[in-house]
Amino acid sequence: GAVVSQHPSRVICKSGTSVKIECRSLDFQATTMFWYRQFPKQSLMLMATSNEGSKATYEQGVEKDKFLINHASLTLSTLTVTSAHPEDSSFYICSARDLYGGGYEQYFGPGTRLTVT
Amino acid sequence: AQSVTQLDSHVSVSEGTPVLLRCNYSSSYSPSLFWYVQHPNKGLQLLLKYTSAATLVKGINGFEAEFKKSETSFHLTKPSAHMSDAAEYFCVVSDQGAGGTSYGKLTFGQGTILTVHP
Repeated sequence: GAVVSQHPSRVICKSGTSVKIECRSLDFQATTMFWYRQFPKQSLMLMATSNEGSKATYEQGVEKDKFLINHASLTLSTLTVTSAHPEDSSFYICSARDLYGGGYEQYFGPGTRLTVT
Repeated sequence: AQSVTQLDSHVSVSEGTPVLLRCNYSSSYSPSLFWYVQHPNKGLQLLLKYTSAATLVKGINGFEAEFKKSETSFHLTKPSAHMSDAAEYFCVVSDQGAGGTSYGKLTFGQGTILTVHP
């Protein structure tokens, strides 16, 4: 149980285009999903917290107009990187918290490798 | 505020020898602590977690960790390393806070790369 999927696993796009990444909780309901980015050889940095049915909360220094987050249902959150640039190339990982599981444990997706050319 | 310090960026061991990955934390509340493992280009897998129950926590694949409040430490150990243990390990802290869906944010350590030699 507690499986989180991400789609796509890998995407290459041209500078100036937008890319949407999906995060799904497959076998549980997640009121809260989190989006992280991980640069090569670095740790995960929280970008934003996504609560179902409300606006996402962004961490300091993360541009909300560039990284659009939508959490329309208890099993799906999306991250759209708008007008992507090469510096946005990174590994994006989502996680989801089980509504009924407690303990604030987060279950992580496998990640999406974004390369902007 | 919460923070995590992983004391070693790289640890190298021989197969069959013990593993020790060190982690110190700071937290304003009663923390939950986790160890995650990440294999190259993969997502994170939970090894074990501490959530205010027993201070010695056993996880998957023979790993365990001991929560020591007096030392603010949560070191990860394994008696005998296996080649498949080679990966990056993250110590993570979460403030349980006062509840609500906005609490429980995770703060990651910088990671420790474990290399296992045959």
